Formats: sequence, C-alpha cells, structure tokens
Amino acid sequence: EIVLTQSPATLSLSPGERATLSCRASQSVGSYLAWYQQKPGQTPRLLIYDTSNRATGIPARFRGSGSETDFTLTISSLEPEDFAVYYCQQSRSWPLTFGGGTEVEIK
Amino acid sequence: EVQLLQSGGGLVQPGGSLRLSCEASEFAFPTYAMTWVRQAPGKGLEWVSSITSISDSGLRTYYADSVKGRFTISRDNSKNILYLQINSLRAEDTAVYYCARGSRGANYVFDSWGQGVLVTVSS
Repeated sequence: EIVLTQSPATLSLSPGERATLSCRASQSVGSYLAWYQQKPGQTPRLLIYDTSNRATGIPARFRGSGSETDFTLTISSLEPEDFAVYYCQQSRSWPLTFGGGTEVEIK
Repeated sequence: EVQLLQSGGGLVQPGGSLRLSCEASEFAFPTYAMTWVRQAPGKGLEWVSSITSISDSGLRTYYADSVKGRFTISRDNSKNILYLQINSLRAEDTAVYYCARGSRGANYVFDSWGQGVLVTVSS
C-alpha cells in the first residue's frame, strides 16, 4: 500500500499569503497524484489531477507540482474561501489512498 | 449538471447490514468508473471500493482490505444506480459514505461527489 504523508498538519496563514502544502508518497506514484479541498460540512472538491492539471473551474492561484514521491500544492495568494482542509490522493496503484490532510486555517 | 443522489444510511447494530444507493443523472453513467469513499467523524478520507465502467474490458471491482469480504459494490447501468452492500458492520465502519464519479481520462480521480450519507454502527 502506498502511504501518503501530508505536511504540515495545520498551516496558519492570513488572506493574501502564499500557502505551500506537501504530500510525500512512500513509493513512486509517477504523476498520478490529485488534490482535493474540503470545507466543513461539505463534500470534497477536486482541485488538481495528474500532479499539475487544474480541474474544471479551479482558479489559477491553485498550482500543483512534483513527481514520483514528492508533491506540492501551492495557493499563490489565499482568498477567504480557500481556508479548508486539503487532501492528496494517489491513483497509481490499488488500494487507492489519501493523505491525512492539511488544514489551512486563518491566522 | 452532474447529480449523484445518495440514500440508505442510518443507524445499525454491530453485525447488521445496510445497502447504500447512489442515483446518477445528467451524465452517461455506464461509461464512468464509480467509487465509494468514506470519512469517519472528524477524520480524513478513506477509499472503500471502486467499480469499472462498461468501457473497460470486463467488469472489475476493487476493495480496501478493511472491507473486503464484507462490502460489495455493484451497479445497475439500466437504472443509473451505484450500490454498496455493507454487511457484518463494525463500530469502525461508522462514517459518512460518499459515492464519487471517476474523472474522464483519470478513472480513479473523483470529479463529482454525492452528498454523503451517515452510517452509524452502534448498539
């Protein structure tokens, strides 16, 4: 099983600041890495797939990068609606796995 | 707009069973892989099970080890409904269960989600 480790667990930032979230895989997932955003009481929302492709309707301030085992989600300038929990997910092999999440909170 | 309408959650005793349903509309359901993901209260996302589409060569199902042998995923393409039969329920199965659609070109990345149903396992 591929374990995805996200860091930090919590990121305290102010609106307008840059957020950098990390996802590390226990073995290579190639480029098969996706990112989701989940707000309290809401369903997850796909942000990024295949490492760096933004899903439909996702603003350009969300950028995914990385390869093999190390991946990053960058939010260039936080908007009030971006404060949420972010999960990475690999689709390289079964079982599919998610990271434990990073909460981006308002400082 | 893609719609995934879930039903079937509830309170069940340990060892009991439930069937979750996910009715799809506004997209060509048979041609998409579908998946169940769950989220225990206050916890992260956990993949549960996936089923391939008619576009794949042969219907295949996949399960997390934690549910293998107890959960069964299925689909009725004539009714556009995805199912999850959950048996031998345990307290640790308590979670919100989501159905999710696989993205085009990336079957096991999830671009649309149902609203989620809560399954509570308790005596």
